[in-house]
Amino acid sequence: EAGVAQSPRYKIIEKRQSVAFWCNPISGHATLYWYQQILGQGPKLLIQFQNNGVVDDSQLPKDRFSAERLKGVDSTLKIQPAKLEDSAVYLCASRRVLSLYQETQYFGPGTRLLVL
Amino acid sequence: DQQVKQNSPSLSVQEGRISILNCDYTNSMFDYFLWYKKYPAEGPTFLISISSIKDKNEDGRFTVFLNKSAKHLSLHIVPSQPGDSAVYFCAATNFGNEKLTFGTGTRLTIIP
Repeated sequence: EAGVAQSPRYKIIEKRQSVAFWCNPISGHATLYWYQQILGQGPKLLIQFQNNGVVDDSQLPKDRFSAERLKGVDSTLKIQPAKLEDSAVYLCASRRVLSLYQETQYFGPGTRLLVL
Repeated sequence: DQQVKQNSPSLSVQEGRISILNCDYTNSMFDYFLWYKKYPAEGPTFLISISSIKDKNEDGRFTVFLNKSAKHLSLHIVPSQPGDSAVYFCAATNFGNEKLTFGTGTRLTIIP
């Protein structure tokens, strides 16, 4: 089973520039998440999709961040314009129910963003 | 408001000994808990989970204990191996809610 794919792995941009990240979840996983992980902290949920619909985007800074999952498979996360505090690792994950009482999320390798 | 807390940022353990990583939570709605392991430049990898209907779950060298009254869980690794050196994240959810709340992580270093 192929894992969650993300690209690019690294990105360096200047503040006020735009950037986009791509994620392809594990085949068949309907639920997809984008997380932001700032150095020294745990991952923080930005947005959750169920197929191509948004389930929760309450933590997404909508003035600069946007995300879509048009065909219910891969997804893109965009930042426009970027700020210094957006420097972080952006993780994509997809959810799998393992059994009646077990579920987990599988994470991609992340995109490390540095805003100068 | 940090609902999931890992109060030890780092831990060093001799190879072959037991590693114990701790996690506390405040939200009484949480009923499902997971541990993830993260190597540098990689995403978190699922290790083990536990439902609140149990107080212990084992998988090989890894055991998770849950104390619901204390809102505390711990991950035991026995015996510790050099490959266990990584950052360990505790996460919690209300099962079926589909959203995870993560702790800040504990960096485990296994000393050969």
